[in-house]
Amino acid sequence: DTEVTQTPKHLVMGMTNKKSLKCEQHMGHRAMYWYKQKAKKPPELMFVYSYEKLSINESVPSRFSPECPNSSLLNLHLHALQPEDSALYLCASSQVGVFGSTDTQYFGPGTRLTVL
Amino acid sequence: GQQLNQSPQSMFIQEGEDVSMNCTSSSIFNTWLWYKQDPGEGPVLLIALYKAGELTSNGRLTAQFGITRKDSFLNISASIPSDVGIYFCAGMKYNNNDMRFGAGTRLTVKP
Repeated sequence: DTEVTQTPKHLVMGMTNKKSLKCEQHMGHRAMYWYKQKAKKPPELMFVYSYEKLSINESVPSRFSPECPNSSLLNLHLHALQPEDSALYLCASSQVGVFGSTDTQYFGPGTRLTVL
Repeated sequence: GQQLNQSPQSMFIQEGEDVSMNCTSSSIFNTWLWYKQDPGEGPVLLIALYKAGELTSNGRLTAQFGITRKDSFLNISASIPSDVGIYFCAGMKYNNNDMRFGAGTRLTVKP
């Protein structure tokens, strides 16, 4: 089973709203990722968690707040977003190998976010 | 920022034709991955390459990890309409969770 699930599939929110995106995997992976993807562009890395600790933050604005409550779950909390934040938000997971190197990343189906 | 150069940007081919696309980089990667993405969906892994020189097949797909570790190609043989989509290469570096994507190749297959 190489499934990563994401909820919700679609989300529409106003600029003053607070919402959360959720991601779950049961493959025993200890690295989890958030990506942002605009139309006709490749995914852009936002955050990486390794063993439930934040290991990479690609200079993402503080209106995006990640959380990894346990090894299977990854959340992305959203607050005071801007219309330009509208995009497909993808979650991914992978094994963490020897010396911290990581294995193949498996992606979820994404959450289509629209900020009005 | 993005470090991978993927080409071609788009391809329009006839059903049954073979397809080839490639990625190059100015830096070394330890893993090369090829993904396919359909509209509104997440990328789906097609092939993963872990060793320089490695040639791997998955059905009609064949990919190679370049000897210099700075490039990779993906071939699709005897294309069919369901091959339509965007193909991304991705490179990962050792001891690093960071993965970088190419810009994608948009494939259109005409029946």
